[in-house]
Amino acid sequence: DVKVTQSSRYLVKRTGEKVFLECVQDMDHENMFWYRQDPGLGLRLIYFSYDVKMKEKGDIPEGYSVSREKKERFSLILESASTNQTSMYLCASSLGGSRGYEQYFGPGTRLTVT
Amino acid sequence: QKEVEQDPGPLSVPEGAIVSLNCTYSNSAFQYFMWYRQYSRKGPELLMYTYSSGNKEDGRFTAQVDKSSKYISLFIRDSQPSDSATYLCAMSGNQGAQKLVFGQGTRLTINP
Repeated sequence: DVKVTQSSRYLVKRTGEKVFLECVQDMDHENMFWYRQDPGLGLRLIYFSYDVKMKEKGDIPEGYSVSREKKERFSLILESASTNQTSMYLCASSLGGSRGYEQYFGPGTRLTVT
Repeated sequence: QKEVEQDPGPLSVPEGAIVSLNCTYSNSAFQYFMWYRQYSRKGPELLMYTYSSGNKEDGRFTAQVDKSSKYISLFIRDSQPSDSATYLCAMSGNQGAQKLVFGQGTRLTINP
């Protein structure tokens, strides 16, 4: 079974702190994604990566950056956390190619910024 | 206007009922249509996938796509309490698409 793990289930940070969210997948997938999920807004794509050191902006990249130094690991960085970044953050991976539609998600990190 | 619209509910039905979940979309380039299911405190998981128009059946679940109306549906027959979850539709323009466009998700509760 594909497994996508996220470093924390719950995280509480203060405004202005630098926050790192880590994601690891164990199936050698090319693509990795970071989403945030908010009530009434659904899943919104922040960034995705289709290869090591490659990244592309999603729909809401402002205030975030990412890093992918190894194929299995994709990090989301909040440079200076703000209260409007309080949300559920979901990481996903996919094989790409003809199976690009099948994304595997981690359990999520609920981040609260106070 | 969002590319994909989905009624967030919540939707509450008795056990055994037929459930209909729907999404509409505006982008005529979409050809691949997915339904993901998300249980509480878990990440979404792929439930069904359909290419272009038509129906696809998997056990108690049927996915239906009407490209002429830009409308997709998921039907659940003989609904069970274990079907209680949030259901998200997702779409893409090609099979190898890296990016999916998700609906807002519909929260469904099946009451015993």
